[in-house]
Amino acid sequence: GAVVSQHPSWVICKSGTSVKIECRSLDFQATTMFWYRQFPKQSLMLMATSNEGSKATYEQGVEKDKFLINHASLTLSTLTVTSAHPEDSSFYICSTGRDFATDTQYFGPGTRLTVL
Amino acid sequence: RKEVEQDPGPFNVPEGATVAFNCTYSNSASQSFFWYRQDCRKEPKLLMSVYSSGNEDGRFTAQLNRASQYISLLIRDSKLSDSATYLCAVNDEGRDDKIIFGKGTRLHILP
Repeated sequence: GAVVSQHPSWVICKSGTSVKIECRSLDFQATTMFWYRQFPKQSLMLMATSNEGSKATYEQGVEKDKFLINHASLTLSTLTVTSAHPEDSSFYICSTGRDFATDTQYFGPGTRLTVL
Repeated sequence: RKEVEQDPGPFNVPEGATVAFNCTYSNSASQSFFWYRQDCRKEPKLLMSVYSSGNEDGRFTAQLNRASQYISLLIRDSKLSDSATYLCAVNDEGRDDKIIFGKGTRLHILP
């Protein structure tokens, strides 16, 4: 399957700062990528669908002005958490869209964000 | 009703036992179904896709019941390394290929 990387793997920041998380699909052209958030002992919650060359689609309850998504190429999507607060501390995971050859998505290893 | 529901567990079973998980989904139009395994602080990894005819991969068997809208996962001869959280996932075709996850079922295999 494809390899998806995320950077950084973990980050600690002060409240009020912005944090950018990169998601790279290394060997799979991803016109669509998904961003998930997972709180401790909770499931992965889909935040938004990132579309290459166009605006992201956000799930209900997710603030688009707070979680800025940019998908400028087929291999890179970025999520910026603006003015982060402690309640934004979570595990953020990206994935590609479905690979029809294998009928599966490919997940990045996740980024653990801690906001102090 | 939540889109994908699972018993959160934890399931504590002795090594060598057989354990089964069920998962229900609400969207009758769903077409693709999956079981993922997630280890602590790691990303989910695809364990199996679930097909209408059911499928088996070694000690793991997955079944789909469309009429009752549930999928199941059976693990035989469980190993200590099977300890993880098992996530049920459903692909809602026509919704940008989104995969909706259940909360997961925690499994602890006891020596």
